[in-house]
Amino acid sequence: AQSVTQLGSHVSVSEGALVLLRCNYSSSVPPYLFWYVQYPNQGLQLLLKYTTGATLVKGINGFEAEFKKSETSFHLTKPSAHMSDAAEYFCAVSGGRDDKIIFGKGTRLHILP
Amino acid sequence: DAGVIQSPRHEVTEMGQEVTLRCKPISGHNSLFWYRQTMMRGLELLIYFNNNVPIDDSGMPEDRFSAKMPNASFSTLKIQPSEPRDSAVYFCASSLPSGGANEQFFGPGTRLTVL
Repeated sequence: AQSVTQLGSHVSVSEGALVLLRCNYSSSVPPYLFWYVQYPNQGLQLLLKYTTGATLVKGINGFEAEFKKSETSFHLTKPSAHMSDAAEYFCAVSGGRDDKIIFGKGTRLHILP
Repeated sequence: DAGVIQSPRHEVTEMGQEVTLRCKPISGHNSLFWYRQTMMRGLELLIYFNNNVPIDDSGMPEDRFSAKMPNASFSTLKIQPSEPRDSAVYFCASSLPSGGANEQFFGPGTRLTVL
């Protein structure tokens, strides 16, 4: 069985400040890990994903995440927040024999001017 | 590519009516997923298909919900009869089959309101 826990349903950061969104996962098989972003009135779109290889993954819009197996974490970061980053972010895990992706409950990111 | 296409984008109906949501996946994608998103319950997987065959429907809330995929380019999610608690945004997503390594591409969603 797989699960994802996102710490904090709402996170507020000032424009220009570091963005850190936390995600911990549970998986009985080697995981594939994802971060998706959802802007208002839109579907989810992929920010980045980890499958194998390099544990630091770079995505779109300056975001990156690091897979830490020992901590079962996949936190999302961005060095400098922009107003356009305001959205909901979902961490997700998959792996095993089927194509299902298990999504976390989401973290809404607010950017303060 | 046009991406995943969903119709209608908005649907308002009265309790008891039948509702049909439609989805066209990305060409070449073999897996198709239906999700429901609400404030209370977040994003829930309702059902997913692989090569037009339903693989896991454990998330379908009850018998009022049914989904079909008659061919590789079309799927429907039907609610009959609809109830106010079915009000939500319904997303369709598609992916290449890969044991979960490939991303899912989401459509824009259908916002359903049942009065």
